[in-house]
Amino acid sequence: EVHLVESGGGLVQPGRSLRLSCAASGFTFDDYAMHWVRQAPGKGLEWVSGISWNSGRIDYADSVKGRFTISRDNAKNSLYLQMNSLRGEDTALYYCARDLGPARGESCPEYWGQGTLVTVSS
Amino acid sequence: EIVMTQSPATLSVSPGERATLSCRASQSVSSNLAWYQQRPGQAPRLLIYGASSRATDIPARFRGSGSGTEFTLTISSLESEGFAVYYCQQYNNWPLTFGGGTKVEIK
Repeated sequence: EVHLVESGGGLVQPGRSLRLSCAASGFTFDDYAMHWVRQAPGKGLEWVSGISWNSGRIDYADSVKGRFTISRDNAKNSLYLQMNSLRGEDTALYYCARDLGPARGESCPEYWGQGTLVTVSS
Repeated sequence: EIVMTQSPATLSVSPGERATLSCRASQSVSSNLAWYQQRPGQAPRLLIYGASSRATDIPARFRGSGSGTEFTLTISSLESEGFAVYYCQQYNNWPLTFGGGTKVEIK
């Protein structure tokens, strides 16, 4: 069974940094692209960033480009999101999601974690 | 980036009736279109990928259609768990983009 567990969220002041982690299990991690998707309170879904199986393809939403960095450690079955220069509009529930595949390809998020809440406020 | 537009924003449907949701892309996404369901307090669930293929364990009452820029999700007979918010998402180009969502509520 695919299992994704996010951690690292919390309350942070504007301008500060936070690093999110996602621990994956139940599948061959290095076969799949991974994504971060966020949802502000009461709002819709926003794709934040994605990374291919071997980190060869990485992209970001314009709203976070230059401030956030996605990475993965295939040896540790883990996905990360380094968030710098945080703003109030970054306040959201951040989901880690595994790609549908095929293996070593990219399509859409299929399996989702339960999310970790990031609140940016002074 | 590709802009996804969903309509209507809210759809009121009686249990057992059909619901038809629309999604439009600002440029062609071929068939690289997914639909998600999100119930309150839950993570999104993938329903449809490739515009018309049902994801694992998704019942046949969920049907996706369309290609290019116009897509439809049809729920043939709404049951209680079908009252939720539905999002379309294109994955033809990165960055991936979602529509704003359609809330299906009980009439």
